Amino acid sequence: AQKVTQAQTEISVVEKEDVTLDCVYETRDTTYYLFWYKQPPSGELVFLIRRNSFDEQNEISGRYSWNFQKSTSSFNFTITASQVVDSAVYFCALEDNTDKLIFGTGTRLQVFP
Amino acid sequence: NAGVTQTPKFQVLKTGQSMTLQCAQDMNHNSMYWYRQDPGMGLRLIYYSASEGTTDKGEVPNGYNVSRLNKREFSLRLESAAPSQTSVYFCASNLDRTNEKLFFGSGTQLSVL
Repeated sequence: AQKVTQAQTEISVVEKEDVTLDCVYETRDTTYYLFWYKQPPSGELVFLIRRNSFDEQNEISGRYSWNFQKSTSSFNFTITASQVVDSAVYFCALEDNTDKLIFGTGTRLQVFP
Repeated sequence: NAGVTQTPKFQVLKTGQSMTLQCAQDMNHNSMYWYRQDPGMGLRLIYYSASEGTTDKGEVPNGYNVSRLNKREFSLRLESAAPSQTSVYFCASNLDRTNEKLFFGSGTQLSVL
């Protein structure tokens, strides 16, 4: 069965700290896609990244970076030098073989000034 | 550029009442989706429409109906609301079903008393 686990329910950090949000997935498919979405207090989900299963290269976008490791079925997300505006709920998601997104339960990140 | 627009933003219903949640996108997307978000459960797919004229059940379709009125609009109907349908509902769209960058509306918070 396809499943996405975000074991961290809530994380609190102080501004400028680095923080890593964990995502572990389960799938029998050899081809799949992984996503991260951000849900700020306004409520609307914002796309951050899509990664296919054949591309294990880490990706960096400004203060954001993603570490994809097939050996541990993980797709972790790191925010470097966190800012108050990073406070949000972050969802990891897996696209299964029927092209439907399966979401994790989300991690609420609070960044305090 | 409005993106995905949902109405209403908030709604309170009594058990047994019916209502329709409206969703419209102005990005000429083919695929549209309805999700519900519940605490501790992430987002779960209710129904989706891969293209105009087609609709399919998602993970939790019971108690809901949908209509893909045209390419722009995808409505979700609760015929007889139940307290278990208290949730935040999100409409989303993308160009096709490969889930490349889903665009989400801002959500509808529904309470069924």
